[in-house]
Amino acid sequence: AQSVSQHNHHVILSEAASLELGCNYSYGGTVNLFWYVQYPGQHLQLLLKYFSGDPLVKGIKGFEAEFIKSKFSFNLRKPSVQWSDTAEYFCAARHFGNEKLTFGTGTRLTIIP
Amino acid sequence: DVKVTQSSRYLVKRTGEKVFLECVQDMDHENMFWYRQDPGLGLRLIYFSYDVKMKEKGDIPEGYSVSREKKERFSLILESASTNQTSMYLCASSFGESGQLYEQYFGPGTRLTVT
Repeated sequence: AQSVSQHNHHVILSEAASLELGCNYSYGGTVNLFWYVQYPGQHLQLLLKYFSGDPLVKGIKGFEAEFIKSKFSFNLRKPSVQWSDTAEYFCAARHFGNEKLTFGTGTRLTIIP
Repeated sequence: DVKVTQSSRYLVKRTGEKVFLECVQDMDHENMFWYRQDPGLGLRLIYFSYDVKMKEKGDIPEGYSVSREKKERFSLILESASTNQTSMYLCASSFGESGQLYEQYFGPGTRLTVT
């Protein structure tokens, strides 16, 4: 079965630290990858997505992610986090052309001022 | 701006009650989805619909049914609520066959408590 793994369940960082959240998927074939964020009390919203082309994808709020096909990974990065980045982050994947997404279990990020 | 709205933010129901959760989107999206979100389990797909009156089971459909009579509205029904259905329920929508424009847009969620 298709699956998405996020091994970091809760990450705590100080402001200005660098961030990397792991995401691995188990799909074969052409895959589309997404990172969503859920700020406290708010809707899930899209941070960035990868479909094809440049494996380094830039998203909103200074986030980026790198698609590494050989490692089945799509890790999320930010060079310097802010207190406002405190949120839950979800990685998701789908086979190209499939209308359904499979989500990981999420990573809760806490930024200490 | 895409808007996905859900009928209630918080709902408390008793075991055995029939529960309706409503979702409406205003972007003329073909696809609509119902998920439940539980701590440590992420989002799990309950049902989705790719057209009016069309539906497909997701990963955890047991104990749930859905209805899509109009394109903009997708309802989740708990025929006889149980305490293990206490959860946050999220509705989402997306265009069909949208290629690289594919994105699911989410509603604010309904936190359902079954006592």
